[in-house]
Amino acid sequence: ETGVTQSPTHLIKTRGQQVTLRCSSQSGHNTVSWYQQALGQGPQFIFQYYREEENGRGNFPPRFSGLQFPNYSSELNVNALELDDSALYLCASSFSGGTLKTQYFGPGTRLLVL
Amino acid sequence: DAKTTQPTSMDCAEGRAANLPCNHSTISGNEYVYWYRQIHSQGPQYIIHGLKNNETNEMASLIITEDRKSSTLILPHATLRDTAVYYCIAFNAGNNRKLIWGLGTSLAVNP
Repeated sequence: ETGVTQSPTHLIKTRGQQVTLRCSSQSGHNTVSWYQQALGQGPQFIFQYYREEENGRGNFPPRFSGLQFPNYSSELNVNALELDDSALYLCASSFSGGTLKTQYFGPGTRLLVL
Repeated sequence: DAKTTQPTSMDCAEGRAANLPCNHSTISGNEYVYWYRQIHSQGPQYIIHGLKNNETNEMASLIITEDRKSSTLILPHATLRDTAVYYCIAFNAGNNRKLIWGLGTSLAVNP
């Protein structure tokens, strides 16, 4: 158990809808990274949040957005859902302050877009 | 960020050592070798990491060649629960940005 939690565990949406996924980071961690994992592929980096600011972004369109709250929890929002957004969404927490910033993952949210 | 190359799949008998290789010939001096595994599409689980020296923890051992161009993850006594996809990643832990994932090695531990 990493102490990183995500909600919901599963979600079904239809094309064009909007979705919000949530992540609570491990105690003592101040950074959250989000990844998208399509079936049979490795995770792809979406973005990272540190001190409530976006701290790096992967090759994802602006309809993927996020937030980080003062307690370091985070949200991933996806607008105008497309069929290809169906995937496992992973959040990872880490501590930006030490020498190493190992990322620890939550169980993921599986999103199905119909 | 350096890319890594791993075999697509491997088999191992239960109770035997599983040796998973990884090539990272373009790794830079400030990049660590990290290993994660993923069981049944759950969240990836951190296993071990290293920079230059060999490392061991309660889960596995990591052997890094002297030139740092390749490494091997060793599960000393594989169990059925070790069946998973194993990912080797070259990660610049200092800048704490993204982990770049390949397709990993699908390890099947057989009874």
